[in-house]
Amino acid sequence: GAVVSQHPSWVICKSGTSVKIECRSLDFQATTMFWYRQFPKQSLMLMATSNEGSKATYEQGVEKDKFLINHASLTLSTLTVTSAHPEDSSFYICSAEGREGVYEQYFGPGTRLTVT
Amino acid sequence: AQSVTQPDIHITVSEGASLELRCNYSYGATPYLFWYVQSPGQGLQLLLKYFSGDTLVQGIKGFEAEFKRSQSSFNLRKPSVHWSDAAEYFCAVGALGNQFYFGTGTSLTVIP
Repeated sequence: GAVVSQHPSWVICKSGTSVKIECRSLDFQATTMFWYRQFPKQSLMLMATSNEGSKATYEQGVEKDKFLINHASLTLSTLTVTSAHPEDSSFYICSAEGREGVYEQYFGPGTRLTVT
Repeated sequence: AQSVTQPDIHITVSEGASLELRCNYSYGATPYLFWYVQSPGQGLQLLLKYFSGDTLVQGIKGFEAEFKRSQSSFNLRKPSVHWSDAAEYFCAVGALGNQFYFGTGTSLTVIP
């Protein structure tokens, strides 16, 4: 079945530094990938939609200069949290949609970011 | 506007008892509907999905869900709950090329 991986699974960084999170579709090509954020005991909230070869579309209230998304290939999207602050600490989950229109979003295992 | 409502924030059931988790949605087009389960600190695992056809869908781990268009509902059921079913359950609605909308989740506790 379709598998999506995320790396790293867990990262701690100091305030003011940047962190890059990778999302890879391992056995299929993903034209579209989505980035979600989940606060403790809350639901997933979409941050942005990433399309291969084009700029990401950000949801209202999400700072595009802070959360840089790059979807450089059909199997890789990256989320970079720039100048991270403690309030950016969260669980970040990506998902990928199959290129052949097989409709399901395959979710990665998530990345736990802690900013100290 | 698109939205998903899970009315029950937390449910406690005894092991072996039946379970029903409620989900209501509002969506402008014919929805694709999903149920996911999430264990603490883990990602999402798909339990089942509905695209079209038979309105009663079977999923993994003995779960099933029934799509009722007239009620805009997609409730999840399991006839006999196991202690390992304790987790957070999310209902989601979406469409091709569009984002998923998630409910706020229902936390399930299973009493031995």
